[in-house]
Amino acid sequence: DAKTTQPPSMDCAEGRAANLPCNHSTISGNEYVYWYRQIHSQGPQYIIHGLKNNETNEMASLIITEDRKSSTLILPHATLRDTAVYYCIVRAANTGNQFYFGTGTSLTVIP
Amino acid sequence: GAVVSQHPSWVICKSGTSVKIECRSLDFQATTMFWYRQFPKQSLMLMATSNEGSKATYEQGVEKDKFLINHASLTLSTLTVTSAHPEDSSFYICSATGPSEAFFGQGTRLTVV
Repeated sequence: DAKTTQPPSMDCAEGRAANLPCNHSTISGNEYVYWYRQIHSQGPQYIIHGLKNNETNEMASLIITEDRKSSTLILPHATLRDTAVYYCIVRAANTGNQFYFGTGTSLTVIP
Repeated sequence: GAVVSQHPSWVICKSGTSVKIECRSLDFQATTMFWYRQFPKQSLMLMATSNEGSKATYEQGVEKDKFLINHASLTLSTLTVTSAHPEDSSFYICSATGPSEAFFGQGTRLTVV
């Protein structure tokens, strides 16, 4: 079952940073925070994941609070192609463990 | 990065027939694969966990006799929707888990008429 809470929708101006919040107050010590996004009628795409340290890759940055009860995905310079549903998922790092999706945040990047 | 491929991308079938969807991990071996279903404007719902060489594990409420899963090799899992009905029309997505993250197929749009 999904263990995360996200706002249902957000808008962001093109070229600005998109900050997508996620609450995961019941996260366990061995659970990672994952972010995926799904563009309409496609499979989910991996963005980033982290345990407790902040992470950055070519797509985004992940900021995890010190108590690990919430996190923020940052798209530094949003483009129209970033319009998608963004899912925050918590999961223990074991290949046999499932990914349970919540309702996600529908991000619309506005020209 | 790793790639998971699904086939077909879309299929239309008549009510009462069966449809098979294939999910392949193209560049890594996956002992475990997952099948999801997604209805319009809804999130992905996990249907079952496909285990190589053993029976699949189904989520509560998912009919195992209707959604047959076979995971005969480390790179292929199949989902067969048996005796399909219009209410089975949905977007079916598979995934395989690498060392740290899951990789998803592009999805299969099933329409039962």
